[in-house]
This record gives sequence, C-alpha cells and structure tokens, in this order.
Amino acid sequence: GDSVTQMEGPVTLSEEAFLTINCTYTATGYPSLFWYVQYPGEGLQLLLKATKADDKGSNKGFEATYRKETTSFHLEKGSVQVSDSAVYFCALSPRGSARQLTFGSGTQLTVLP
Amino acid sequence: DGGITQSPKYLFRKEGQNVTLSCEQNLNHDAMYWYRQDPGQGLRLIYYSQIVNDFQKGDIAEGYSVSREKKESFPLTVTSAQKNPTAFYLCASSIPVAGPGANVPTFGAGSRLTVL
Repeated sequence: GDSVTQMEGPVTLSEEAFLTINCTYTATGYPSLFWYVQYPGEGLQLLLKATKADDKGSNKGFEATYRKETTSFHLEKGSVQVSDSAVYFCALSPRGSARQLTFGSGTQLTVLP
Repeated sequence: DGGITQSPKYLFRKEGQNVTLSCEQNLNHDAMYWYRQDPGQGLRLIYYSQIVNDFQKGDIAEGYSVSREKKESFPLTVTSAQKNPTAFYLCASSIPVAGPGANVPTFGAGSRLTVL
C-alpha cells in the first residue's frame, strides 16, 4: 500500500538557518504530494502541493519539488523564523482518489531566536 | 468565510461513556473525513464519506461510528468500545474527485478528547 516516510524529529534550528525536512514516498502511479503544517493546538493547514513530476510547490518561503526518480518531496526553506516552529506533515493522495491522504509521522520543528 | 467548525474543542469523558464530536462545513464539499492524531504519530483515518448517506471505514474504525444525513455535517461518535479514545480528532472535507484541485482536504481546528 501507499506510505510516506518522513525525517524523524525533533529538529531544532537557530533563526535564519537553512531548513530541510526529508520526505520519501511509496505509491503506485502518480500521486499528488502535499506538505501540511500544524501549529500548537490547531488543525492542519495546507502549506504547499505538487501534482506531477518536477512540479515545485512553494508558499511563505517554503519549497518542495516532486522528484519521481527518487520518490521524494523534501521541504526546504532558506531562512527560518521563530514563527515557523510547528509540526510539518508530508502526505500523498493517489491520483483520482477521494478516499484519503496518507500521512507521514510528522516532524516537529523548533526555531530558536 | 467558509470553513470547517469542530466542537467542542476540549472534551472530557468518563470511561464507559459514549461521546459525539461535531463537524460542520460550509464549503459545499461532498467528501468528509475523520482522522485521529496521537502524540508523535501521523494522522490515521477513522471514517470517510464521499456523499450524503454513505460512508466507509478507514484504517481504525473499531469503536467509532459516524452518520452523514446532511452534506454539511459528519458527526463522529466515540463509543465505549474504543479501548484508548484519548486523542486529538481532526475533521476534514474536500471537493469531488473530478473537480479542479480535487482531494486537497481542508481541516478543522480539531477536538481534544480526554478520558478520565
């Protein structure tokens, strides 16, 4: 079945540091890929998405590129801020399916001033 | 503004009691979902519904029940049969599969259930 493997956390960085959170997936066909962010005590918010190979999703300084050849969708940001502290989830959705998203286990990011 | 409203935000339950979590959306989405989140884990699907009066079990449906009598509402009942119900519960909805941006779920703010 489909699965998503995320870099284990927690990750602690200083403000303005470079961020990478690794995400790899296993799925048949060409799934859509997502990054969601969860701030403390809140639900999930869509951060960015990519629906086909080589697409780059971007939002709020975050980027991720859909790499079919390496089945990866790593999240990056060039300069993190304290306000980026949250849990980040990588997820996939099989193409043409409304059944569900498959989520990774989440990566806790803490950014220190 | 359109969105998903979950209530209550916090709920305490005694062992052996059933409890119902509310989920209402005004996004005109056909599909709705319930997920469970435990500390340090990803989200696990409990139930989902693609259309009114129809729903399917997800990966961890045992001890839970749902109904979908209206498009806007998808309540989740946590029954006494659920052995470890303390968790954060998230409701989500999405547009039909055939539409643009299909299956990009919008999430509610969640309900935290604690069994005493």
